[in-house]
Amino acid sequence: ELKVEQNPLFLSMQEGKNYTIYCNYSTTSDRLYWYRQDPGKSLESLFVLLSNGAVKQEGRLMASLDTKARLSTLHITAAVHDLSATYFCAVVDSNYQLIWGAGTKLIIKP
Amino acid sequence: DGGITQSPKYLFRKEGQNVTLSCEQNLNHDAMYWYRQDPGQGLRLIYYSQIVNDFQKGDIAEGYSVSREKKESFPLTVTSAQKNPTAFYLCASSLDRTAPSLLDTDTQYFGPGTRLTVL
Repeated sequence: ELKVEQNPLFLSMQEGKNYTIYCNYSTTSDRLYWYRQDPGKSLESLFVLLSNGAVKQEGRLMASLDTKARLSTLHITAAVHDLSATYFCAVVDSNYQLIWGAGTKLIIKP
Repeated sequence: DGGITQSPKYLFRKEGQNVTLSCEQNLNHDAMYWYRQDPGQGLRLIYYSQIVNDFQKGDIAEGYSVSREKKESFPLTVTSAQKNPTAFYLCASSLDRTAPSLLDTDTQYFGPGTRLTVL
């Protein structure tokens, strides 16, 4: 059974700093998604990573996938307050089902 | 303007009542999904449908039922058998449920959600 673990689960940081969120998963998969959720709102698709070594960037966010290490990272560069949200990773299992991490709540202070 | 709509936004249920949550999409997607989200947790799959008139149970289907009579619509009924239904319910859709390597036609897009509270 595929399990997905995110860490940290909570992160408070200052504007302008860099940080990385980690997403580990327990069995082989080469499809991983990152989503963003604002409080009380729905989920917004950020990145789709479909192969080993895939790297995607959008603004101050960059996501990468290492399928051999079963690890994805979401790197935040020079954080700004607007990036405050909860970030989820989700991995496709052998039954084509998305298995979700618990989410990382990110608070960026001015 | 393509997208996924859910209604109502807030729903209150009394003990012993069945309630139905609506989900409609105009993206021409074949696959649709229902998830439950509890505070501080990831999403858990309730039901999914790959095609009209077909649907499959997810990890937590007990106490829920669905139908897929039209491609655009995938309503979820929370029955009285669901003992702890208070949660945030999210509907999603994707072009396909599975996708060839290096294609992202299985990317799921979410509706705004329905917050269900048991009184």
